[in-house]
Amino acid sequence: NAGVTQTPKFQVLKTGQSMTLQCAQDMNHNSMYWYRQDPGMGLRLIYYSASEGTTDKGEVPNGYNVSRLNKREFSLRLESAAPSQTSVYFCASVQTAISYEQYFGPGTRLTVT
Amino acid sequence: GENVEQHPSTLSVQEGDSAVIKCTYSDSASNYFPWYKQELGKRPQLIIDIRSNVGEKKDQRIAVTLNKTAKHFSLHITETQPEDSAVYFCAATVTGTASKLTFGTGTRLQVTL
Repeated sequence: NAGVTQTPKFQVLKTGQSMTLQCAQDMNHNSMYWYRQDPGMGLRLIYYSASEGTTDKGEVPNGYNVSRLNKREFSLRLESAAPSQTSVYFCASVQTAISYEQYFGPGTRLTVT
Repeated sequence: GENVEQHPSTLSVQEGDSAVIKCTYSDSASNYFPWYKQELGKRPQLIIDIRSNVGEKKDQRIAVTLNKTAKHFSLHITETQPEDSAVYFCAATVTGTASKLTFGTGTRLQVTL
């Protein structure tokens, strides 16, 4: 099992460019999450999907959109990147019927210039 | 929403000493409290968790205690080793289908020889 995978690992964007961060899990988990991690601020929830077909805003959703493509995949889109979106982005997933342990992907380091 | 505060932000201990990290939470409905360890450049990984119906949980050198009345929980690491050096995050949630975690801002633990 690959667990939670994310692509790309690194990305540099110019202000105003758009991109999509991809996340996939092969553990048959129902819930998936996108976090951003900034120095001194811990992990903050951007969006989450409690089950296939549903998505909801987290703590810091402005400037982002998400798609739960199917049970395995949950993507995060930046429509018009801003320097304030420079961060490390983590995807996570959990099967809440069994456990509450969230499994994290390896992260995407995004720089917006 | 939930608010989690974590202290200290940095902690330096000598190898073999104990380390204690403390967190407080605001939502009395929160009932699941995990601790994640993140090594430099890596993803967060769960090291121990506790549910609200338990006051203490141990796993070898690590333990977590929970005081529901005071709304605080702590991570205790005994006989620290250099490989314990990392950033530790506490989190809290109300369990359910979504189980959104709210994280503390992290503690950087340095174990010196």
